[in-house]
Amino acid sequence: EADIYQTPRYLVIGTGKKITLECSQTMGHDKMYWYQQDPGMELHLIHYSYGVNSTEKGDLSSESTVSRIRTEHFPLTLESARPSHTSQYLCASSPGDIYGYTFGSGTRLTVV
Amino acid sequence: RKEVEQDPGPFNVPEGATVAFNCTYSNSASQSFFWYRQDCRKEPKLLMSVYSSGNEDGRFTAQLNRASQYISLLIRDSKLSDSATYLCVPHGGASGSARQLTFGSGTQLTVLP
Repeated sequence: EADIYQTPRYLVIGTGKKITLECSQTMGHDKMYWYQQDPGMELHLIHYSYGVNSTEKGDLSSESTVSRIRTEHFPLTLESARPSHTSQYLCASSPGDIYGYTFGSGTRLTVV
Repeated sequence: RKEVEQDPGPFNVPEGATVAFNCTYSNSASQSFFWYRQDCRKEPKLLMSVYSSGNEDGRFTAQLNRASQYISLLIRDSKLSDSATYLCVPHGGASGSARQLTFGSGTQLTVLP
């Protein structure tokens, strides 16, 4: 039923590796977001995009980068993973902020 | 002042009880509001949208008081499946960073058998 997909669902990776977290949505939404959330804590916005070739950093400083080459695809890349990157990463999309966001199931990342 | 303030709880209520959560927001320009529920280790899911004074959907009622800048969520006849964290999320309604939704840490509810 989900119209927004994140892969992988779980990822355990070694320090220093480059990783890309995938996010795709089939709803044609222009706005897409990446949030980071630690267990029991609030969501922190790390990147957002309001359309193709538009990306901005969010409120939380992040060493990750994003790209938006196609409307439906908003991947997040960590060039060199560190243990401090261990967290859950949630992707969301929206047709407009007043309509709320639809979230993907998240990627739970562990860097060892 | 935080953009959103909620009592973190936890609220532990018996099945069938009525429970209410309050939420205050700091941005008086906020035009729309959302209640999300988030189950443990899952993604947030939209529960209700509030654009005017309130909204009702089955056992759930949201009320908005713009003068006092708070919104509430009332859950009647609580079910075990209502156990989750409830997030109050105002939309800034302004330009710049306030255009995104700000998620607080929410209120934890446990419905007991």
